[in-house]
Formats: sequence, C-alpha cells, structure tokens
Amino acid sequence: EAGVTQFPSHSVIEKGQTVTLRCDPISGHDNLYWYRRVMGKEIKFLLHFVKESKQDESGMPNNRFLAERTGGTYSTLKVQPAELEDSGVYFCASSQPQAGNTEAFFGQGTRLTVV
Amino acid sequence: ELKVEQNPLFLSMQEGKNYTIYCNYSTTSDRLYWYRQDPGKSLESLFVLLSNGAVKQEGRLMASLDTKARLSTLHITAAVHDLSATYFCAVDMDSGNTPLVFGKGTRLSVIA
Repeated sequence: EAGVTQFPSHSVIEKGQTVTLRCDPISGHDNLYWYRRVMGKEIKFLLHFVKESKQDESGMPNNRFLAERTGGTYSTLKVQPAELEDSGVYFCASSQPQAGNTEAFFGQGTRLTVV
Repeated sequence: ELKVEQNPLFLSMQEGKNYTIYCNYSTTSDRLYWYRQDPGKSLESLFVLLSNGAVKQEGRLMASLDTKARLSTLHITAAVHDLSATYFCAVDMDSGNTPLVFGKGTRLSVIA
C-alpha cells in the first residue's frame, strides 16, 4: 500500500513567486492535515480537511496560503506571493477516523526555500 | 492552549550509553505519540501511548506515559549509531481526529 506522498520534495523560489505543493494521502483516508516546520522550531499545524471540507484552518498563517482538496482525494497548498518567512518543511499527514486507532501517517515533506 | 515541551533539544551520546528524552505537555490529552525522522524522510511512528502507565518497547527504545504528571519519556538503551535521528513527541486532544501538537524535537547523534 502506498504511503502519503508529497511533491515536490524540494522547491527553491524567489520572493514574490507562487508555489504549489501537493499531497496524495493514503487511499481512503478522509482526514488530511498540513503542517509546517520552520527551521529550529516546532512542527506546527496549518489546516485539517475531512474529505473535501476544511474542518479547521486555524493554523494558516495568512491569506497568502490557500489549500484545496477537490473531490476529497489529493490536496494542494498554494503560497502566493511567497515571502522569506515561508521557508520551511511542509508536511502532509492522513488518517482514517475509526474507533480506537486514528494514527496519522506522514509524507516525507516538501522543503521550501524562498530566496 | 496545549503546549508540548521536549528536552533536550540536542543530544550527543556515545555508543553503548543510556539516555532519556523527556516530553512534558500542558493540558489533559487523549494520547501521546513518538516519531522518528531521518533527514529528508517522513515522520516514522515509533509509539502510540494511550493510557496512564503505558509502557512500550521496541528494540533499544522504550517509551512510557504518566498522564498525571503530563510526562512521557523515551529511553534509549545501549545506543547504536543507527539510532541517530530527530525524535519528536506529539499530543492530540481527540483520538486522532484533531491536529497533533508537537514538541521541538530532539536531534540525537550517536558517536563511536
């Protein structure tokens, strides 16, 4: 069974440009989460989808970030326009809600560098 | 607001030695996770601790949970180089249906 996959693994863009990150969750997982780790800091929650609906987007830093999950399958996270402080590693995780075991599985992350 | 504190943040230890990583959290939580991350790789789940007094072991790693003290420990026994990685603890509030709150991670280097 394929795990959570993220594309690209690395991205270097200039300040002001646009970048779109993609996450393919484990097939059948309704929960999809985006997290971000800025250098030297905690991994912080950005937002949570349940199927195609945004359940919680309280962690999104500002309106330059737009997440979508059309059809409840893969998700994209667009940063437009990118700023220097957006640099970090963006992780995606998925889980399937069920009684007793809702462990989340993580992708390898996308390392975003804004220069 | 749930906060998770991990210490130490950096740990350099010799092969064969024992050490413990600590994870404190600020409010009542449903479950606690330990993850391992190798550079450029995904977060690999090591342990899920569900109840007070839970203890789980896998190879040279043992994790425990004290919900009254809001403390989890990850104990490393007779460290080997392959254990070098970053270890994160994380807590959630609602059995996996809410976001995880992570500690800052402990970067472990095991040296000969």
